[in-house]
Order: sequence, then structure tokens, then C-alpha cells
Amino acid sequence: GAVVSQHPSWVICKSGTSVKIECRSLDFQATTMFWYRQFPKQSLMLMATSNEGSKATYEQGVEKDKFLINHASLTLSTLTVTSAHPEDSSFYICSARPGTSGRSSYEQYFGPGTRLTVT
Amino acid sequence: ILNVEQSPQSLHVQEGDSTNFTCSFPSSNFYALHWYRWETAKSPEALFVMTLNGDEKKKGRISATLNTKEGYSYLYIKGSQPEDSATYLCAPRSNDYKLSFGAGTTVTVRA
Repeated sequence: GAVVSQHPSWVICKSGTSVKIECRSLDFQATTMFWYRQFPKQSLMLMATSNEGSKATYEQGVEKDKFLINHASLTLSTLTVTSAHPEDSSFYICSARPGTSGRSSYEQYFGPGTRLTVT
Repeated sequence: ILNVEQSPQSLHVQEGDSTNFTCSFPSSNFYALHWYRWETAKSPEALFVMTLNGDEKKKGRISATLNTKEGYSYLYIKGSQPEDSATYLCAPRSNDYKLSFGAGTTVTVRA
């Protein structure tokens, strides 16, 4: 199957600092990448959609200045949590939708996620 | 983002037994439904993408059916094995490829 990696798998940071999470599609080019977060005992919630070379679009209630998304290439998207606070502690996970690399563009392949703890 | 319900939230099944669970979603403006299997500390694994009313898909001992008119899908596991223990997520997809996830059904298979 298609492989999506995420780095780091877990991170602990101090309140007020920024954290960058990387999402890479390893064996296909991703037209679109999506960022989700999951709070304890809740569903995966879509935060934003990013297309390579374009500005990300954010879901209602997600602060675009706090969660900076960069999708500089067809295989890499990054999410930066700026000035993190304890309430940003969550599980962040990305998915990637293939372009024209022979894989179905209707699928979305997920990374393993990043556990962020802000102290 | 759509309202998706999965039931039950969790279930325990004896090895060798079969089981099934439900995903309910809005039937209007339906485009597709995704099923994923998610094991702890791993990436969610894509199981099925279903689009047509009456669709039935199968992967090994796991199968799924789809009713778009009434807005539900069933996922079946036949002859459950310990390796089937996981959380199963369903997610209807909108026309802009966004997925709305249910909270999942966590299956524990007891040997």
C-alpha cells in the first residue's frame, strides 16, 4: 500500500514555543494533503486542506495564524503549531491524496500521527 | 463536515465468531464512504471506498455493504482472529474530498 510518514511521532514542548510536524508521501505524489487532530475520546477532526503550491484552506474554528501549513512539494506538507499552549496538546495526523501516480485519487492514505504535549 | 455515528463504540468477540457494526451518515449529497482499520501506533489502513447504493466490497474475511438511500453501511468480520483487533473508522467523503469521521468501533478479539 501507499506509505505516508510523519515526523516526529511524539513531541513535548514548552508553552509559548513552536513545533513543526512533517508529513511525507514516500512512494507517490500527493495532490492534496489533509491535517486532522484528535482529542481524547473524540473523532478525527479535519483542520485544514493543503494543495501543493497553494495556500491552505482551514475549517471553521481553526486559527490559520496558529496552525501554519506549508505544502512546498508534491511529497511534503508541514504543520507548524505556533506559540503552543497546553490546550493545543492533541494527536495530529495527516493524510495524502494521490495525484496521477497510478494510485487511485479517491483514496486517502494516512500517516501514523504525532502526539503533541505542551507543558 | 458531516455528522457520522458508529455503533457500537466497542465490542468484544470470541475468536472464530463473526461480528458486524454500523456506520450512519447523512444520505443527502452522498459521494463516497471510506472504511479504515486503525491499530494502535500505526497508520489507519484503508479498507474500502464505496460509492454505489447496494455496493458490497470484500477484503479477506472483512466485507462491507452500503445503503446510500438510508445512509448507513455495515462492516462484517467473519471468523474473527486476534489480528482483527483494531478500531474501525468510517468516513463519508464530500465532493471536495474532505472526510468526516465517526468515533469508530473498537473491536477486541479474545483468543
